[in-house]
Amino acid sequence: QQQVKQSPQSLIVQKGGISIINCAYENTAFDYFPWYQQFPGKGPALLIAIRPDVSEKKEGRFTISFNKSAKQFSLHIMDSQPGDSATYFCAPRYSGGGADGLTFGKGTHLIIQP
Amino acid sequence: DAGVIQSPRHEVTEMGQEVTLRCKPISGHDYLFWYRQTMMRGLELLIYFNNNVPIDDSGMPEDRFSAKMPNASFSTLKIQPSEPRDSAVYFCASSWMENTEAFFGQGTRLTVV
Repeated sequence: QQQVKQSPQSLIVQKGGISIINCAYENTAFDYFPWYQQFPGKGPALLIAIRPDVSEKKEGRFTISFNKSAKQFSLHIMDSQPGDSATYFCAPRYSGGGADGLTFGKGTHLIIQP
Repeated sequence: DAGVIQSPRHEVTEMGQEVTLRCKPISGHDYLFWYRQTMMRGLELLIYFNNNVPIDDSGMPEDRFSAKMPNASFSTLKIQPSEPRDSAVYFCASSWMENTEAFFGQGTRLTVV
């Protein structure tokens, strides 16, 4: 059973536009909803994360929106910049679930065109 | 803290040889994870440890793969014998808890020829 479905696989956005990446999950036990950013040749690094007690969290140009009833959360990048070009992963987590609680989405390759 | 440290950064080996990847987690983190990344399969969890004890190794592809964590500051992932299909980037990560931020190393790019 695929625990996490991330979309789209790839995304091209013009500089200054809004980038939106979505993540749908199955397991209602997840209680930590992060997005990771990965540049070529580097390991993934946490970009922004949310807990289920809030529906939205904003950090600068990056916003997570969380919909508990729909079992979805999304990443919004406002005023997208060429430096945002990277691969983004959702990676919901919960404690005590073994490997089932530690999956990554397949990733979204984001390109911001200048 | 210098973050999660992996070595080597690159490894090229011949099919059939033994390969050992090394990881030093962030001090104080109780969890250590080994991931493999390929274009086809994305990021796959191979095995993870809690307080040096393996918790779930269901992602280890076959008996050729083994991992150890002899103490809180060191872990190894060994492939013996290596095969060309093992070529990938292997990441080590550590975290305070299972459901907190995971800090990744720079990865080891393994090429088996």
